[in-house]
Amino acid sequence: NAGVMQNPRHLVRRRGQEARLRCSPMKGHSHVYWYRQLPEEGLKFMVYLQKENIIDESGMPKERFSAEFPKEGPSILRIQQVVRGDSAAYFCASSPQGNRLSYEQYFGPGTRLTVT
Amino acid sequence: DAKTTQPPSMDCAEGRAANLPCNHSTISGNEYVYWYRQIHSQGPQYIIHGLKNNETNEMASLIITEDRKSSTLILPHATLRDTAVYYCIVGLSGNKLVFGAGTILRVKS
Repeated sequence: NAGVMQNPRHLVRRRGQEARLRCSPMKGHSHVYWYRQLPEEGLKFMVYLQKENIIDESGMPKERFSAEFPKEGPSILRIQQVVRGDSAAYFCASSPQGNRLSYEQYFGPGTRLTVT
Repeated sequence: DAKTTQPPSMDCAEGRAANLPCNHSTISGNEYVYWYRQIHSQGPQYIIHGLKNNETNEMASLIITEDRKSSTLILPHATLRDTAVYYCIVGLSGNKLVFGAGTILRVKS
């Protein structure tokens, strides 16, 4: 069973460019979550998506960040006009079902974004 | 959602049991206790979760006190590869995991 896959593992962007991070959930999982870990800080929730729907984006910065999880293909976290403060590790997690009291989220290896 | 309190760091000798405590005195009746760990720079790894009864899997055991105000994660035979930050999380805040600072466990030979 393949786990959660993320690519690229490392991404370098210049200030002002766009960054696209991809996440393929575990087989059979239809719920995806994105978390961000800034250098020397803890993991922070960003967004929760089901297929074609954003369920909770309370942790997403208001500008420049967007996420999608189309019917076909991976989930995409998109950062427009990146700034140095966007440099972080971005982790994706998936679960088979949300909206229950108990379920596990399985994490991918992360994408490390460096903005120069 | 209930908050958790964990010691910032712990040491454990290789081959010995590692017992990681977590206080969650404001836990509500239907909130589960989850444990995850993050080995340096890797994605968080799910370990175990439970509600009231003690739980055991191939990785660890989870002991929850009868009043559910605290719990202990037990790694029965710690190895160097268990060195990581261990997070105790209570409940799912609207489907999201809220990570605290966790406990840095250092397993030493």
